[in-house]
Amino acid sequence: QQQVKQSPQSLIVQKGGISIINCAYENTAFDYFPWYQQFPGKGPALLIAIRPDVSEKKEGRFTISFNKSAKQFSLHIMDSQPGDSATYFCAARGTGNQFYFGTGTSLTVIP
Amino acid sequence: NAGVTQTPKFQVLKTGQSMTLQCAQDMNHEYMSWYRQDPGMGLRLIHYSVGAGITDQGEVPNGYNVSRSTTEDFPLRLLSAAPSQTSVYFCATSGSGAYEQYFGPGTRLTVT
Repeated sequence: QQQVKQSPQSLIVQKGGISIINCAYENTAFDYFPWYQQFPGKGPALLIAIRPDVSEKKEGRFTISFNKSAKQFSLHIMDSQPGDSATYFCAARGTGNQFYFGTGTSLTVIP
Repeated sequence: NAGVTQTPKFQVLKTGQSMTLQCAQDMNHEYMSWYRQDPGMGLRLIHYSVGAGITDQGEVPNGYNVSRSTTEDFPLRLLSAAPSQTSVYFCATSGSGAYEQYFGPGTRLTVT
């Protein structure tokens, strides 16, 4: 059973557009929600993260929006660039420092 | 500072063979984890360790063994490889009190 559900599976955006990826969870014990970026042939790398007591966090062009009551969070990439083309994973931290990952979103930014 | 290293990068096994995937880190991190990544499945936790001598099972532990005799190393053992274990394996570490995980470059394993 997938603890963190992620959509869409793939996303194509024009350069300069906004990319939005959504995730949902059920376990209210999760206490940390990171987003990872992965390029082909590489390991995932932390992009941005948020804790559930904050509704939004922004770092440069990347923003996480967090809705605790709906148990949903999303990644917004503003002014998307071809270099942002990668696979993005949301995740949630549970007890014992265990992380549960979404199934990933393959983002393609068209020049 | 190498960070998290994994060896080998690629491996092909026959069904029933055994092997060990190596993971080493030089960041003095307490937490280490093994994940497998399969298309459409994301990353799934196999085993993890919260310190030397302490290991525990994750979501998909069957067919895998781990041990943690030192802070630096966390090997993953496949005792009898099966085609269902064909996957990309990632090792990750994080420090005590810090939630950020650092991933290694991965090992691509094919079992025929």
